[in-house]
Amino acid sequence: DTAVSQTPKYLVTQMGNDKSIKCEQNLGHDTMYWYKQDSKKFLKIMFSYNNKELIINETVPNRFSPKSPDKAHLNLHINSLELGDSAVYFCASSQVPATYEQYFGPGTRLTVT
Amino acid sequence: AQSVAQPEDQVNVAEGNPLTVKCTYSVSGNPYLFWYVQYPNRGLQFLLKYITGDNLVKGSYGFEAEFNKSQTSFHLKKPSALVSDSALYFCAVRDNNNDMRFGAGTRLTVKP
Repeated sequence: DTAVSQTPKYLVTQMGNDKSIKCEQNLGHDTMYWYKQDSKKFLKIMFSYNNKELIINETVPNRFSPKSPDKAHLNLHINSLELGDSAVYFCASSQVPATYEQYFGPGTRLTVT
Repeated sequence: AQSVAQPEDQVNVAEGNPLTVKCTYSVSGNPYLFWYVQYPNRGLQFLLKYITGDNLVKGSYGFEAEFNKSQTSFHLKKPSALVSDSALYFCAVRDNNNDMRFGAGTRLTVKP
């Protein structure tokens, strides 16, 4: 059983398009996250979502928006894709409080052409 | 604001030798410290964490880490490296507000 899953694994699209990445966790965790990993492997948190509280990294463009239909899902929607959005996006989940570790999905490699 | 530093981009060791991957942190209040490993084309996997108690924590795959409050460090160690340990290692720090910060990562290469 996959704990944290993401779809698609690869996503190739053109500039200006709108795309979504789906994430699901079956661990019963209360908090979910989205991370961006750039070509230099630097990992940056984009969002964390705990029940009804959304915490946004202030550096994330508002073209990015997380959507959570329920506690087990946190999808990432991206509007007007740009070349600089090309990266690997990871979803993760954890229990609350902060002492718990995060479980990561396998990643989605987004390529914008 | 909290931060974490991994001073080495790359660490090379021979198989069978001990390995150390360094991490230092800065946080107000009590630090919650984590180590994760990333194999090629995979997501991060949790290795170990320090929350409180014994300064030496043991984790998966024979790894351990030592919390040093005076030096604000949390170095990852293993007594005898394996070729299969070759991967990217991330140190992370979290505060009571659930704010998580990752280091830039250290690429470990273990040569036969």
